[in-house]
Amino acid sequence: EVQLLESGGGLVQPGGSLRLSCAAAGFTFSNYDMNWVRQAPGQGLEWVSAISNSRGRTWYADSVKGRFTISRDNSKNMLYLQMNSLRADDTAVYYCAKGYCDSTRCYGWVDPWGQGTLVTVSS
Amino acid sequence: DIQMTQSPSSLSASVGDRVTITCRASQGISNYLAWYQQKPGRVPKVLIYAASTLQSGVPTRFSGSGSGTDFSLTISSLQPEDVGTYYCQKYDSAPHTFGPGTKVDIK
Repeated sequence: EVQLLESGGGLVQPGGSLRLSCAAAGFTFSNYDMNWVRQAPGQGLEWVSAISNSRGRTWYADSVKGRFTISRDNSKNMLYLQMNSLRADDTAVYYCAKGYCDSTRCYGWVDPWGQGTLVTVSS
Repeated sequence: DIQMTQSPSSLSASVGDRVTITCRASQGISNYLAWYQQKPGRVPKVLIYAASTLQSGVPTRFSGSGSGTDFSLTISSLQPEDVGTYYCQKYDSAPHTFGPGTKVDIK
């Protein structure tokens, strides 16, 4: 069974930094693209970032480009999101989610999702 | 970037009704579209990918169609456990934008 467990959320002041982690288990982590998706309180889903399985290519939403950095450690089955210059509108639950890959390529839809970690940016 | 819209933003229907939600992309995305369900207080889960492929374990009352810019998700017979918010997502290329969501409840 695939398990994804996020950690690292909390309360941070505007302009501050936070590092989210996602521990993966139950699948060959290095074979799959991984994603971060967030959901502000009472709002919809917003795709944040993705990282490819082994080559480490990265992609970002315009809203976080230049402030957030996604990374992974395939030896530890860990996904990370370094968040700098945080703003109030970054307040959200951040979900780690596994991408789908078949024998030929990986795709951008995601399943399953972790339970999420709440990030609150406030003074 | 390609924008995703959904309609309606919310709907209320009776148990057993046929329900259709539409999703539109501002540019063609072939069939690179997924649908997700988020029940109240729960984590989202994928229902359909590649516009019309049902994810394993998803009830067959859910179906998807479309290609290019116009897509739809249909629930053939609405059940009480289908209450929640439904999102489409494009994944032809990054950013993998989600639609704004359609909230479904029971009349």
